[in-house]
Amino acid sequence: EAAVTQSPRNKVAVTGGKVTLSCNQTNNHNNMYWYRQDTGHGLRLIHYSYGAGSTEKGDIPDGYKASRPSQENFSLILELATPSQTSVYFCASGGGTGGVYAEQFFGPGTRLTVL
Amino acid sequence: SQLAEENPWALSVHEGESVTVNCSYKTSITALQWYRQKSGEGPAQLILIRSNEREKRNGRLRATLDTSSQSSSLSITATRCEDTAVYFCAPWTGGYKVVFGSGTRLLVSP
Repeated sequence: EAAVTQSPRNKVAVTGGKVTLSCNQTNNHNNMYWYRQDTGHGLRLIHYSYGAGSTEKGDIPDGYKASRPSQENFSLILELATPSQTSVYFCASGGGTGGVYAEQFFGPGTRLTVL
Repeated sequence: SQLAEENPWALSVHEGESVTVNCSYKTSITALQWYRQKSGEGPAQLILIRSNEREKRNGRLRATLDTSSQSSSLSITATRCEDTAVYFCAPWTGGYKVVFGSGTRLLVSP
């Protein structure tokens, strides 16, 4: 059974609409991450969290918000979606139950298209 | 400029051949990871090599690390079709964040 799941797996949104991408992990990891992946750019960090109630800006946070209501759940929110946010989004967890560790465990990704 | 970069951008080999992917990075590291991403999936860690290690093996995989030149390599021996994937190096500085390069696309043909 997958330890990091994402929903939806595919999403088509309209420009200016609100989009929420959800992530759930059963690893009991403290840290969770949201990345986007575009051709030629690899994985770029949008937001991350080191525990319930915390969110931190990553390298490309503009246009995105994040929410971490519990240890297991981490959401990425696009309040006003734009076509430039068309991408594949990955959620990851890491960090064990204490301290900081390198390995991250990724979900299967969400393909978002903004028309 | 990117903090980590793999080369070449793409590789194509036949099953059974060996292949090497190189990585250069631009930061002081605690460790360096190699990840593999198969089509339609998220990345998965293959090897973690610590800054005080020079070589690490995991089955058919061998990673090397040279902190003086800030470079690493990942070699795969006896490649299989299922090794077809994108390979990323990911330097880790010891904090919450991991930096990923753009990846090397490996195609293994029968």
